[in-house]
Amino acid sequence: DIVMTQSPDSLAVSLGERATINCKSSQSVLYSSNNKNYLGWYQQKPGQPPKLLIYWASTRESGVPERFSGSGSGTDFTLTISSLQAEDVAVYYCQQYYSTLTTFGQGTKVEIK
Amino acid sequence: EVQLLESGGDLVQPGGSLRLSCAASGFTFSSYAMNWVRQAPGKGLEWVSSISAGGGSTYYADSVKGRFTISRDNSKNTLYLQMNSLRAEDTAVYYCAKNGAGDSGKSYYFDSWGQGTLVTVSS
Repeated sequence: DIVMTQSPDSLAVSLGERATINCKSSQSVLYSSNNKNYLGWYQQKPGQPPKLLIYWASTRESGVPERFSGSGSGTDFTLTISSLQAEDVAVYYCQQYYSTLTTFGQGTKVEIK
Repeated sequence: EVQLLESGGDLVQPGGSLRLSCAASGFTFSSYAMNWVRQAPGKGLEWVSSISAGGGSTYYADSVKGRFTISRDNSKNTLYLQMNSLRAEDTAVYYCAKNGAGDSGKSYYFDSWGQGTLVTVSS
């Protein structure tokens, strides 16, 4: 199985400041035949199901604010919230779907400092 | 608007069985692969199983293989998860999730999720 490791486990950021979450996969999730990274990002608020933010590592889902962006390739990926808002307090997960058995990172909790 | 509504969660004894359902609406159900993802209390997300759009291909996490069976009825726009030989470690909220791409059964990103149904395995 491909293991996804996120860092940090939690972070506290001031309102309006940048939040950066890292995700590392145990093997490359870049599919050479289409040059796509099989990597997604989700946001989960307390008591709610996860919500898709980013897919193909950098494509923002419809309706997701522009302050959310994804980057990276191969084994190293980043989710950036450019200017943290109060409503962004949540747990964020990365997911690889390169393998038939998809796996998630352990989650990163984002709080307000 | 895509809607996924899970049902069937309950308290069940170890070794028992349960069938979960997920009623889908707002999209052409028969065109998309579907998934079950679970989340133990206070823990992260774990993919459980997926099924192709036509139902002919299924995939399972090693932790549930041989005990759980995923199926679908495209005439009823409903996804199912038959859970047998339940264990305490199966206790979780079970989410139904729609594939954002592909109909082969291989999981891609999940662009729609239900609210989840709680399964508790305890004596």
